[in-house]
Amino acid sequence: DTEVTQTPKHLVMGMTNKKSLKCEQHMGHRAMYWYKQKAKKPPELMFVYSYEKLSINESVPSRFSPECPNSSLLNLHLHALQPEDSALYLCASSPLLSRGKGDTEAFFGQGTRLTVV
Amino acid sequence: GNSVTQMEGPVTLSEEAFLTINCTYTATGYPSLFWYVQYPGEGLQLLLKATKADDKGSNKGFEATYRKETTSFHLEKGSVQVSDSAVYFCALNPTGTASKLTFGTGTRLQVTL
Repeated sequence: DTEVTQTPKHLVMGMTNKKSLKCEQHMGHRAMYWYKQKAKKPPELMFVYSYEKLSINESVPSRFSPECPNSSLLNLHLHALQPEDSALYLCASSPLLSRGKGDTEAFFGQGTRLTVV
Repeated sequence: GNSVTQMEGPVTLSEEAFLTINCTYTATGYPSLFWYVQYPGEGLQLLLKATKADDKGSNKGFEATYRKETTSFHLEKGSVQVSDSAVYFCALNPTGTASKLTFGTGTRLQVTL
């Protein structure tokens, strides 16, 4: 199984709503990521989890709250979003290798297309 | 810092034409280099990769060679198909244990009959 599964595929939410995006992988990867991709732009890294602990937060606003309940699951909790947060949110996973032991190929999910109204 | 520069698109080709998408990078150390492809409405799929200088990555007829002397990783395919129409992203991952990809801006390829 080389899949990263994201749910839901599409989400429309109001600015006062609370919602969550979910991501799951069963490849035994111990690193998981959230990326944000605006239309016609490349993905931008938001968060990195290593061994279920947050290791990188790329100065993301607190209205985005990540959670990694176990090694297979990654959530992104959304609250009080703005219309400019509408984007494709991509989850990815990769192995964690010993330094210098090779590249760390990231596997991406299909994404959740979020619209904030 | 790390950065990736790709040629501006869109690139429009006729089926069976030769494809080149240029990619150059700036990075410290010895990054790994990747090409990802994104079909309309979908996530990213890894197309090919190279982890050290002079490595050639290849997949589905696409090739790219890691050229450290010119800091380049140009994508080529000898004969494109309509099904190759997509956005192609060049990316680098600096040396390390986890993946922290820096992407180029993407190049849209449209192949017509």
